[in-house]
Amino acid sequence: AQTVTQSQPEMSVQEAETVTLSCTYDTSESDYYLFWYKQPPSRQMILVIRQEAYKQQNATENRFSVNFQKAAKSFSLKISDSQLGDAAMYFCAYRTPQGAQKLVFGQGTRLTINP
Amino acid sequence: DSGVTQTPKHLITATGQRVTLRCSPRSGDLSVYWYQQSLDQGLQFLIQYYNGEERAKGNILERFSAQQFPDLHSELNLSSLELGDSALYFCASSVIPGQEQFFGPGTRLTVL
Repeated sequence: AQTVTQSQPEMSVQEAETVTLSCTYDTSESDYYLFWYKQPPSRQMILVIRQEAYKQQNATENRFSVNFQKAAKSFSLKISDSQLGDAAMYFCAYRTPQGAQKLVFGQGTRLTINP
Repeated sequence: DSGVTQTPKHLITATGQRVTLRCSPRSGDLSVYWYQQSLDQGLQFLIQYYNGEERAKGNILERFSAQQFPDLHSELNLSSLELGDSALYFCASSVIPGQEQFFGPGTRLTVL
């Protein structure tokens, strides 16, 4: 079974600085998708960024980018120019392209932004 | 706003009771997923429906059941409720399985 591990329960960063959230996963499959979701205090799950495993290029979305290391099964999220609105729980998630296509989530990292 | 709606937003009930959570997917989405978020188990996949048919099951208890109706809305039925069933229940939808999942705002269930 696929598993996702986020080893940092909490992180904090100064406003305008850069922070990196770590995620590792375990799978025997070669084709899959990886995601980072943000959950602010409102509890809404918001998709931040996605990465297809077959793509070598790291995904970017404005201030958010990933470092995808397929061989190491690592998928970290970098947030540049951190803003107060970035404060939230961040979940790393894995999804297979076949079968159930369910999302398997990590335990989450709580990110605090210090003004 | 993701376009996925869930009702009710909050639900407080007693042990042993039965409740129904409702989800309306985004317009055009045929696939619905249910997830449970609890303090001890984290975010877990429960069950998936596609165009009215059950497609996949995850860690869903036998006391729980779900269905997707012809108008594509879905209901999650939780019965013989226990304290440990207190959680945030999310519904997500996608156009077809394998496409991006969009999450609803969740239903917070409290079992007293």
